Amino acid sequence: DQQVKQNSPSLSVQEGRISILNCDYTNSMFDYFLWYKKYPAEGPTFLISISSIKDKNEDGRFTVFLNKSAKHLSLHIVPSQPGDSAVYFCAASGSGNTGKLIFGQGTTLQVKP
Amino acid sequence: GAGVSQSPRYKVAKRGQDVALRCDPISGHVSLFWYQQALGQGPEFLTYFQNEAQLDKSGLPSDRFFAERPEGSVSTLKIQRTQQEDSAVYLCASSSPGVPAFFGQGTRLTVV
Repeated sequence: DQQVKQNSPSLSVQEGRISILNCDYTNSMFDYFLWYKKYPAEGPTFLISISSIKDKNEDGRFTVFLNKSAKHLSLHIVPSQPGDSAVYFCAASGSGNTGKLIFGQGTTLQVKP
Repeated sequence: GAGVSQSPRYKVAKRGQDVALRCDPISGHVSLFWYQQALGQGPEFLTYFQNEAQLDKSGLPSDRFFAERPEGSVSTLKIQRTQQEDSAVYLCASSSPGVPAFFGQGTRLTVV
């Protein structure tokens, strides 16, 4: 039973364009959501997060949107850069413990020059 | 240290062998987590420590898996009698209250 799903295994975008990565969840008790970026042979790196009391959080080129009624969140990267090419994981927490996370399967983003 | 440090980076074990994986968390982080990441999947939670107390071990797949953090800093994940299905990347993360978890580079375990 996959509580956090990233239905797109991969995404290819041209440099300078917008990248949109999607994530769906099933557990309405989740109250904190995070995006991590992972390069090969490295551990996941925290990117951006959002609390369930908000519907948008922005940090530079990265914006996360949360739609609680649809149990859906998305990560927007504008403008996309070749260095953004990585695997992106969506993660959720419902216990007030920001480190005990349920991860999605990941989406591999390729940004072409 | 500046980040979460894990050792060894790579470990090859013969089936049936015991292994021990080490994690040095970020200094001052009271919470420490272990995750298992199979190929092509997202990390899956194994266990959680707050200081030296193991508060949650619900994700440990069997009693062959054991974790400890005796002095509230360095942690060791031990796997006894390794099996092929234990082959994965084992990730350690640490955090403080209100701070997202920071992950180490992981230990890639291959059981042959």
